[in-house]
Amino acid sequence: AQSVTQLDSQVPVFEEAPVELRCNYSSSVSVYLFWYVQYPNQGLQLLLKYLSGSTLVKGINGFEAEFNKSQTSFHLRKPSVHISDTAEYFCAVTRVQGAQKLVFGQGTRLTINP
Amino acid sequence: NAGVTQTPKFRILKIGQSMTLQCAQDMNHNYMYWYRQDPGMGLKLIYYSVGAGITDKGEVPNGYNVSRSTTEDFPLRLELAAPSQTSVYFCASSLDTSGNTIYFGEGSWLTVV
Repeated sequence: AQSVTQLDSQVPVFEEAPVELRCNYSSSVSVYLFWYVQYPNQGLQLLLKYLSGSTLVKGINGFEAEFNKSQTSFHLRKPSVHISDTAEYFCAVTRVQGAQKLVFGQGTRLTINP
Repeated sequence: NAGVTQTPKFRILKIGQSMTLQCAQDMNHNYMYWYRQDPGMGLKLIYYSVGAGITDKGEVPNGYNVSRSTTEDFPLRLELAAPSQTSVYFCASSLDTSGNTIYFGEGSWLTVV
């Protein structure tokens, strides 16, 4: 079975500052990794995903994430945040083989302060 | 440009009542899913379907039923609603496996009192 741990439940950041949201996963088989964003009272939107190849993945809205297999991590970063980035961010994994069933972390609430 | 559509958006149920959450997708996706999201928690998989006529249990299936008679529709049935089923429910779909993006609906807020 797979599991995901998001190490911070809340991250407050000032506008235009850099941010890193941390995600660690556990799995005995190969996995795909995802970051989703949820704006207030909305569904989830895909930010980026890692399937294979380059370990640095670029996504929408200036976000990027780096897959580190030895540390089983997939941290999300943005060099300069905006007020509009205030949202809940979810890291998720699914096994490569078999039915694609996402397993989610508990989420990190990113709050951008002016 | 509909994507995944869920109805209703909000509903209050009394304990013991039953209801169906509707979900439809217009992207011709094979896979469909139902997740629930409790406050401060990530999403947990209730049921999923890999195609019309095929469904399977996820992590938290108790108290729910699903059916998949067409590719487009994947309704979630709550029988004998309980307060523990108060949650936000998300329907989602994807083309197939192999890391394809899973697209989510906007959610259905359900309160059981």
